[in-house]
Amino acid sequence: KQEVTQIPAALSVPEGENLVLNCSFTDSAIYNLQWFRQDPGKGLTSLLLIQSSQREQTSGRLNASLDKSSGRSTLYIAASQPGDSATYLCAVRKETSGSRLTFGEGTQLTVNP
Amino acid sequence: DTAVSQTPKYLVTQMGNDKSIKCEQNLGHDTMYWYKQDSKKFLKIMFSYNNKELIINETVPNRFSPKSPDKAHLNLHINSLELGDSAVYFCASSTMMNTEAFFGQGTRLTVV
Repeated sequence: KQEVTQIPAALSVPEGENLVLNCSFTDSAIYNLQWFRQDPGKGLTSLLLIQSSQREQTSGRLNASLDKSSGRSTLYIAASQPGDSATYLCAVRKETSGSRLTFGEGTQLTVNP
Repeated sequence: DTAVSQTPKYLVTQMGNDKSIKCEQNLGHDTMYWYKQDSKKFLKIMFSYNNKELIINETVPNRFSPKSPDKAHLNLHINSLELGDSAVYFCASSTMMNTEAFFGQGTRLTVV
């Protein structure tokens, strides 16, 4: 059974800092990994999707890496801003078509002005 | 245009009632999902449909019945609501080729 763990559970940083969020998964037979952002009381916004054959994906100040063999992914946020404050969720898909996303419990990020 | 839309956004109802949550996607995806987010914010799959056919059915009480009239819609009907059903329910869609998943804004269900 796939288990996804995110560390840390919560993180508070001053504005402008670069930071790294960690995600680990127990079964390396994944199809892809997706990072989401969830604002309080809102839905999930997709940030980055990394296919199992890829090592990293970038979007603006965000960079996600994937080490499938070791079961790890990181989300790097450069020059953090107060607007980045949210819960960040990591989710993986198995290597079967139409499979579910298995989520971690998220990292709650607060960026202080 | 909203890619995945759910209605209603908030639902407050008494124990024992029957309620439905509707979901529609305009992305042309062939696979839709229902996820439940509990009070600890953990997201877990409930159901998945591909082209109106059920492909994932987690251990969910029979009181929960998804219905997919076409591949752009997946509704969730809940009978005899219980206090423990209070949660946020999210609809999502992607393709059978496991492309990027998109989520709706969620429906916060409160059973009193």
